[in-house]
Order: sequence, then structure tokens, then C-alpha cells
Amino acid sequence: GAVVSQHPSRVICKSGTSVKIECRSLDFQATTMFWYRQFPKQSLMLMATSNEGSKATYEQGVEKDKFLINHASLTLSTLTVTSAHPEDSSFYICSARLVRSSYNSPLHFGNGTRLTVT
Amino acid sequence: AQSVAQPEDQVKVAEGNPLTVKCTYSVSGNPYLFWYVQYPNRGLQFLLKYITGDNLVKGSYGFEAEFNKSQTSFHLKKPSALVSDSALYFCAVRDERTGRRALTFGSGTRLQVQP
Repeated sequence: GAVVSQHPSRVICKSGTSVKIECRSLDFQATTMFWYRQFPKQSLMLMATSNEGSKATYEQGVEKDKFLINHASLTLSTLTVTSAHPEDSSFYICSARLVRSSYNSPLHFGNGTRLTVT
Repeated sequence: AQSVAQPEDQVKVAEGNPLTVKCTYSVSGNPYLFWYVQYPNRGLQFLLKYITGDNLVKGSYGFEAEFNKSQTSFHLKKPSALVSDSALYFCAVRDERTGRRALTFGSGTRLQVQP
């Protein structure tokens, strides 16, 4: 149980275009989803916290107009990288918390999306 | 602020030998500590967690971790390493006091188990 599906797994796009990444909780409902970014050989950096039905909370230094997050339902959150640039190339990973899960419950992660901007 | 340190970028062990991956943390309240493993181009898989109770926690695939409050450490261990354990390991913390729901991750340690 507790499967998080992330799509696409890989995407290559041209500079200036936008890319949408989907994160779905397949067998549970998630009021909160987290979007992380991972640079090569580095840790996961939290980008934003996505709450169902409300605006996302962005971490300091993350441009909310560039990384648009929508959490329209209890099973789907999307991250749209707008006007992508080569420096946006990275590995993006989403994670989700079950509805009404305890504070000490582990997060469930998607398999990540490798974005390459040419 | 909560933070996690993994002092070793890489750990190499021979198959069958015990392994240890180190982690230290810093929080203002009680820590909730987690270990995750990541295989190439994949998301993170949960291994184990410490919330309260016994300092030695057992998790998936034969891994265990020991919580040491005085040393603020939560080292990951396995008595006998397998080649298939080779992966990237992340320690993470959530501070009970901050109310912050996201995890803060360490920089990761790449484990190489040599046949």
C-alpha cells in the first residue's frame, strides 16, 4: 500500500517551454504533498509544501511563479516548471502524507522525474 | 532549525561484513528520525524510523539503527552487507517542536558493497 506515482519519469524539453509533472497517491488520500529537488550527488532540497485546496507554501529562495504547484484533489498534485532554463535541469521528487496520519509517520515518495532542459 | 549531517560521502564494505552509515542531527525538540534508501533514478524507499521507545530500531531488509540522544546520532547498521545493498542512503529528521511537516534530509551517503 501507500504507492505514490510520479509522471513522467523522464522529460527533455527546450528552453522557454513549460513542463508539468504529476504526483498521484494511488491507494490513499494525501492532504499534503511535498516537492523536492535533487541535484547530482546532493541531498533533497524541499521546494514547497502542497496542501489540497489551498495555496502551496514555498521554501525560501524558490520562485513560486516559476514552479507552479496545484493540489486540486486529495490524490493529485502537479508541479509545472514554467519557461524552463537549462539550470532547471534536475531530479524532482514528490512525497505524500496520508490523510490523518500521525506526525511521526514516514513520507511516501514517488520515483522522481528527471528533467533535462536543452 | 532542524538539520542532519552525514559525514561520509561514501562507505565501502566487503560483502558479508558489517556496515555502518553515520548520521547526526540537530533539533530543538524531540527528534523523529528516519532512514531512506535511493536506487539510481528512483524515489526514496523508507527503511526505518525512531520516534520513541527502544533506542535500537529494526527496519526493512535487515537494517537497524541506534538512537543515541547524548551523541545526537542515529547511525544505520547491518550485521552482514549484501551487494544489493549498494545504494544512496539518506538520514532525515523532523522536529516535534517546530510543527514542520516536511523532512529535512542529510546530504546522503553512497554505500558500495564489494563482492
